[in-house]
Amino acid sequence: GIQVEQSPPDLILQEGANSTLRCNFSDSVNNLQWFHQNPWGQLINLFYIPSGTKQNGRLSATTVATERYSLLYISSSQTTDSGVYFCAVEGQGFSFIFGKGTRLLVKP
Amino acid sequence: NAGVTQTPKFQVLKTGQSMTLQCAQDMNHEYMSWYRQDPGMGLRLIHYSVGAGITDQGEVPNGYNVSRSTTEDFPLRLLSAAPSQTSVYFCASSYEAPGLAGDNEQFFGPGTRLTVL
Repeated sequence: GIQVEQSPPDLILQEGANSTLRCNFSDSVNNLQWFHQNPWGQLINLFYIPSGTKQNGRLSATTVATERYSLLYISSSQTTDSGVYFCAVEGQGFSFIFGKGTRLLVKP
Repeated sequence: NAGVTQTPKFQVLKTGQSMTLQCAQDMNHEYMSWYRQDPGMGLRLIHYSVGAGITDQGEVPNGYNVSRSTTEDFPLRLLSAAPSQTSVYFCASSYEAPGLAGDNEQFFGPGTRLTVL
């Protein structure tokens, strides 16, 4: 089945720094999403981005479908950006496969 | 719209007890699914449904049953709880199923934290 790999697994930033999170996937997809799981466990939709580039405030994402990767950019990071960032794509059948996530800690 | 709602938020069971986790959505979504999340891992698919009356197994279905009698509701049943089922459970929905062309953006509920002693 399709494999989803995220890097880095852990990231520590100072407030105000920029970062790039990467998601590699092993097959072509029609659906790729980025989520932020906050410290209270809530999963928040960030981007639905099977291809192209999208921006939402300090966050932006780019998916290069032909090369099977997606990048999530966080600029001017804030402590509220802390949590786990997940990438997910559709798998076999009607499933939806998550990567193991990138755990981000932003220090004040 | 309330989106995807889950009840209860927290639950403690003893080994062997049964219970049902509730999930409902008010977005007229055809596709609904259940995931479990264990420490240090991403979410793993338990069961899913592509419409009322249609369900199928995901990656980790053992120990769980589902049914989909209406478009809105997709309950998850634990028939005989085991400590290995201690986890956080998420329900999700989308208009179309993943893998189909169209609107298949997934929306998640707030989760149910289950502990089995």
